[in-house]
Amino acid sequence: TQLLEQSPQFLSIQEGENLTVYCNSSSVFSSLQWYRQEPGEGPVLLVTVVTGGEVKKLKRLTFQFGDARKDSSLHITAAQPGDTGLYLCAGDKQGGNTGKLIFGQGTTLQVKP
Amino acid sequence: GAVVSQHPSWVICKSGTSVKIECRSLDFQATTMFWYRQFPKQSLMLMATSNEGSKATYEQGVEKDKFLINHASLTLSTLTVTSAHPEDSSFYICSASTVYEQYFGPGTRLTVT
Repeated sequence: TQLLEQSPQFLSIQEGENLTVYCNSSSVFSSLQWYRQEPGEGPVLLVTVVTGGEVKKLKRLTFQFGDARKDSSLHITAAQPGDTGLYLCAGDKQGGNTGKLIFGQGTTLQVKP
Repeated sequence: GAVVSQHPSWVICKSGTSVKIECRSLDFQATTMFWYRQFPKQSLMLMATSNEGSKATYEQGVEKDKFLINHASLTLSTLTVTSAHPEDSSFYICSASTVYEQYFGPGTRLTVT
């Protein structure tokens, strides 16, 4: 069974600080996805990383896929209050591309002005 | 981008009654739809996978007779929670998948009293 361990589970920082969220597994994934979820809403896809060692940037967010495709990280530079939310990593539970996603436990980010 | 809607967005029902939740892909045809459940302060858990015209496949531990899924067309899937009990209170989220992407609905908050 594929598992995704996300850390930290909760992060409270001041505006302007940097942060990194980690998503780790002992299993290999064909790809990993990062989502952001607001309270009472469905998750919204931020990025999909596919190639081992890949780095993708989305404005102040940098996503990295581990060389062995077992882990990923999300780094936010100069966090802003608008970044507050639940960040989830997800991967295909069967390691391929079935669409059946397993999610990490999530990281609740609070950015204080 | 692709839009997935859910109806209702929230529902309160009495214990023992049944509730139907609709999931629609508004501007695309989905090859597969998925149903997830999210308890408060927890991550999303896959419940079942449904394909148009065929029986849904359920994840281990999910009662297929309690959570009835009907996938009548390429744009509509329904989840019926039968004989609901307070422990079924949760946030139910569907997603609709094409070959390339998976799009999540906004979720349905179910409260069973």
